Amino acid sequence: EDKVVQSPLSLVVHEGDTVTLNCSYEVTNFRSLLWYKQEKKAPTFLFMLTSSGIEKKSGRLSSILDKKELFSILNITATQTGDSAVYLCAVNKRSDNAGNMLTFGGGTRLMVKP
Amino acid sequence: SAVISQKPSRDICQRGTSLTIQCQVDSQVTMMFWYRQQPGQSLTLIATANQGSEATYESGFVIDKFPISRPNLTFSTLTVSNMSPEDSSIYLCSVYRTGDVEQYFGPGTRLTVT
Repeated sequence: EDKVVQSPLSLVVHEGDTVTLNCSYEVTNFRSLLWYKQEKKAPTFLFMLTSSGIEKKSGRLSSILDKKELFSILNITATQTGDSAVYLCAVNKRSDNAGNMLTFGGGTRLMVKP
Repeated sequence: SAVISQKPSRDICQRGTSLTIQCQVDSQVTMMFWYRQQPGQSLTLIATANQGSEATYESGFVIDKFPISRPNLTFSTLTVSNMSPEDSSIYLCSVYRTGDVEQYFGPGTRLTVT
């Protein structure tokens, strides 16, 4: 059975701190790994990773994938209160009948205090 | 990007009734999906809505409980039938277009069953 596990479940930090969120996976026919940020209802896309060792970066956020050890990390530097959200990791697997099925991890709830 | 709207945005329903949720996209999309997010949980794929044919359901979800329609490439409905309090969740429509990097999510429908 496909599995995506995120840790920690929740995290409380202060503004300016750096955080690292973890995502490990076990899926057959891996295609890509995606990170989303969910503040209210709709998850918003952050990154898609397909290759090992290549860091994706957007402002204070960065992410990297290790396909050998089957995990990814999402780093947020100089955190701000606006970073408070649930961060979701999802794995996209190759499928004959549905080209883009995502299996989500349980999420990490991040709270950034002023 | 794809702009997705869902109706209703929220509803409170009595047990035993049914609710139909609509998902409208501003452009033709390859794939449309329905997800459920129970309180405090991550997203779980209910089914893939196939245009012109029956939806493809994930393990644990059946057509009698969650009938889905997709009459064209921009619209889909999900019905939650014979509701019970356990159906209280956020229901999210998601779309994917061939060639896009990300999968887009609608704003969600928050359903409470009393």
